[in-house]
Amino acid sequence: NAGVTQTPKFQVLKTGQSMTLQCAQDMNHEYMSWYRQDPGMGLRLIHYSVGAGITDQGEVPNGYNVSRSTTEDFPLRLLSAAPSQTSVYFCASSYSGADRTDTQYFGPGTRLTVL
Amino acid sequence: GDSVTQMEGPVTLSEEAFLTINCTYTATGYPSLFWYVQYPGEGLQLLLKATKADDKGSNKGFEATYRKETTSFHLEKGSVQVSDSAVYFCALRRGGYNKLIFGAGTRLAVHP
Repeated sequence: NAGVTQTPKFQVLKTGQSMTLQCAQDMNHEYMSWYRQDPGMGLRLIHYSVGAGITDQGEVPNGYNVSRSTTEDFPLRLLSAAPSQTSVYFCASSYSGADRTDTQYFGPGTRLTVL
Repeated sequence: GDSVTQMEGPVTLSEEAFLTINCTYTATGYPSLFWYVQYPGEGLQLLLKATKADDKGSNKGFEATYRKETTSFHLEKGSVQVSDSAVYFCALRRGGYNKLIFGAGTRLAVHP
């Protein structure tokens, strides 16, 4: 049971480049989400999904796209990277997301630098 | 809107000292409250949680009590160890799906 995995661990992009951050979980969790972590600001929710084919925006969705074609995978796409997107990105998952006692499990993170 | 405020760090303690990290929240209704810990180079791990007023969450010697009257969820540990050095995040979840709102995090450094 690998839990939540993320690739790559580190990435450097130039402004305007595109890339996809990968996230996968093997716990059959319905709910998955993406957060970004910036100094002094904690973690902020970018997008989330309550099941395959269903996604919605979080607190800071601009500049990011997501899709959920399978239960296991929830990739995050940056279509045209900007320096403001330099951050550490965390993927998380939980069983249903609707139970107030649900525990979210976090991946190890991807550190992204946009030059 | 909903928010979480944590005491600013870093907090520097000697081994076996008593730890308190303050956390207060603003939210309507009855949120669930969480403490997550992030060890160097790793993702976040759930440390403890409380889902209703007066609940006490506990794990690994850490404790926090959900105080609705003071809208607080302070983290405490009686005797810290060097291995407790990490960043601690307070978070809330108010109804709906598992959308957490995090505080800014408090870095704890414990010295021998």
